[in-house]
Amino acid sequence: GAGVSQSPSNKVTEKGKDVELRCDPISGHTALYWYRQSLGQGLEFLIYFQGNSAPDKSGLPSDRFSAERTGGSVSTLTIQRTQQEDSAVYLCASSFRDTEAFFGQGTRLTVV
Amino acid sequence: GDSVTQMEGPVTLSEEACLTINCTYTATGYPSLFWYVQYPGEGLQLLLKATKADDKGSNKGFEATYRKETTSFHLEKGSVQVSDSAVYFCALSRGSSNTGKLIFGQGTTLQVKP
Repeated sequence: GAGVSQSPSNKVTEKGKDVELRCDPISGHTALYWYRQSLGQGLEFLIYFQGNSAPDKSGLPSDRFSAERTGGSVSTLTIQRTQQEDSAVYLCASSFRDTEAFFGQGTRLTVV
Repeated sequence: GDSVTQMEGPVTLSEEACLTINCTYTATGYPSLFWYVQYPGEGLQLLLKATKADDKGSNKGFEATYRKETTSFHLEKGSVQVSDSAVYFCALSRGSSNTGKLIFGQGTTLQVKP
């Protein structure tokens, strides 16, 4: 596809369950980012992958959050033992090295 | 730590009115500054950017000037249209690299009425 693709677009899960959110970046983009957008906290940086370098995990809010990027392309954000405060829109972005970041439309996660 | 502060919304204007959305930042070093826009039902899009002091970013009639002395990057447009209704986010990144690792302001909702 032409843009950053995220799936699912909406996810409702029960408190305590694990969830996986997927991001397909723009083909050829070397950098990939995850952000969280919530009413109380605005847009928060979570994690950043650049090529084969070790990811920058400085924004992950707790050890329940993890992310991986396989083959330098698709990324999965995993939230274990979800809590209600994890409810938010999770945004993925990609860029070619240090140029403009393009954002996907996000996954809206609701923890009930 | 680094931070971005935007004026609170919502901002409601009539078509053809002038727009200013204030943005100030706190950062060490020399950050790059950005305005992103989120139209209803769409993803975030880069509107404009400036990478050094006194640079002016412009796009679609919007402008913002990087003011280091006042640590500001206010967004302006001389004549808004209904199609400009959206949420606007001011953001910074550290230096010229990692331009996707951004610190965002809280966002300002703009409503333009015909």
